[in-house]
Amino acid sequence: AQSVSQHNHHVILSEAASLELGCNYSYGGTVNLFWYVQYPGQHLQLLLKYFSGDPLVKGIKGFEAEFIKSKFSFNLRKPSVQWSDTAEYFCAVNRNTGRRALTFGSGTRLQVQP
Amino acid sequence: DAMVIQNPRYQVTQFGKPVTLSCSQTLNHNVMYWYQQKSSQAPKLLFHYYDKDFNNEADTPDNFQSRRPNTSFCFLDIRSPGLGDAAMYLCATSGGWLARSPNEQFFGPGTRLTVL
Repeated sequence: AQSVSQHNHHVILSEAASLELGCNYSYGGTVNLFWYVQYPGQHLQLLLKYFSGDPLVKGIKGFEAEFIKSKFSFNLRKPSVQWSDTAEYFCAVNRNTGRRALTFGSGTRLQVQP
Repeated sequence: DAMVIQNPRYQVTQFGKPVTLSCSQTLNHNVMYWYQQKSSQAPKLLFHYYDKDFNNEADTPDNFQSRRPNTSFCFLDIRSPGLGDAAMYLCATSGGWLARSPNEQFFGPGTRLTVL
């Protein structure tokens, strides 16, 4: 079974600081990778996704992520965070076959201070 | 807009009193999922339907059941809710193997369940 690790549980940044959130997965086969964001009191929203092709993917709101197959990683980045980026961020994976259910990481709570 | 709808958004029930949560979709997707998300935790898959085929996760308690009467609707039944079942319940859909983007899931807004 696949698993997902997010090593940063709580990150506090000042506005305009750069962001990188780590995500590592364990599964030997082909996977699809996702980052979801959950703003306070709101539902999960897809930030970006990787299925195949260019390992550097760009998502909404200025976020990007890089898939490094050799490191089983899919880190999320943003050059300059805003106060409105305060939220919980979840990395998730699913397999390219079968039921395609998502396995989520434990989440990273990002707090951006004005 | 095509979407995933969950009703109600907030549900309060009493300890041991059965409760049903509803999910509907206008995406005509084959697959529907139910996830449980407890406070400050990641969503955890309870079960899913591929068309009418029901797939239960091994660690989903027997207390949780599901019904899918047609493509559009899926229900989560909690037969005897305990205090530990208080959580956000998320419904998601995906297009299945033949969809243009079979790997992507679309989430509803969730139902927050409180157990008194």
